[in-house]
Amino acid sequence: GESVGLHLPTLSVQEGDNSIINCAYSNSASDYFIWYKQESGKGPQFIIDIRSNMDKRQGQRVTVLLNKTVKHLSLQIAATQPGDSAVYFCAGGGSARQLTFGSGTQLTVLP
Amino acid sequence: DSGVTQTPKHLITATGQRVTLRCSPRSGDLSVYWYQQSLDQGLQFLIQYYNGEERAKGNILERFSAQQFPDLHSELNLSSLELGDSALYFCASSPYQGSLYEQYFGPGTRLTVT
Repeated sequence: GESVGLHLPTLSVQEGDNSIINCAYSNSASDYFIWYKQESGKGPQFIIDIRSNMDKRQGQRVTVLLNKTVKHLSLQIAATQPGDSAVYFCAGGGSARQLTFGSGTQLTVLP
Repeated sequence: DSGVTQTPKHLITATGQRVTLRCSPRSGDLSVYWYQQSLDQGLQFLIQYYNGEERAKGNILERFSAQQFPDLHSELNLSSLELGDSALYFCASSPYQGSLYEQYFGPGTRLTVT
């Protein structure tokens, strides 16, 4: 079945630098890949999604890149801020719009 | 605040017991999803309802069941509880419009089975 989101567990970046969070997936039955952010003590929050036939999509301060050849997904956050500290999950989208989440990366923004 | 509410916030119960977790979706959202988040299994999809009908099932145990009522709120019933059922349970809702996978998650119910 689908395996999404082999993440590095932690990432630390300096405030103001750009962050790149990576995710790998195995077999892709997903039409979409999605990034969610989870702050401590809260539920996940949608950031951005990308359809599987695209290779790049930009949002506000975030860019998602999809490389289907190597089955790799990344989330780039520009000018990382303290409020960006959270766990970031990539997820694959199922036919009923349910989400298959990866293991997540804890992003820590250093002052 | 996502607009999704979940009660209770915390629940402590004993093995073998049964509990009910409640979720109220955002106003107007027809679709409700339940997820379980544990340290060893991560965030896993359990079940989805759309306008009162079951739409998709994930890794939901037979001891667990859910339903969505006519007013669109949903309940997740967990029975014959085991220590391994201790986890955070999230409900999410979506309007089935706009971004296909933008789900709004509630704050979760933390279940502790002792």
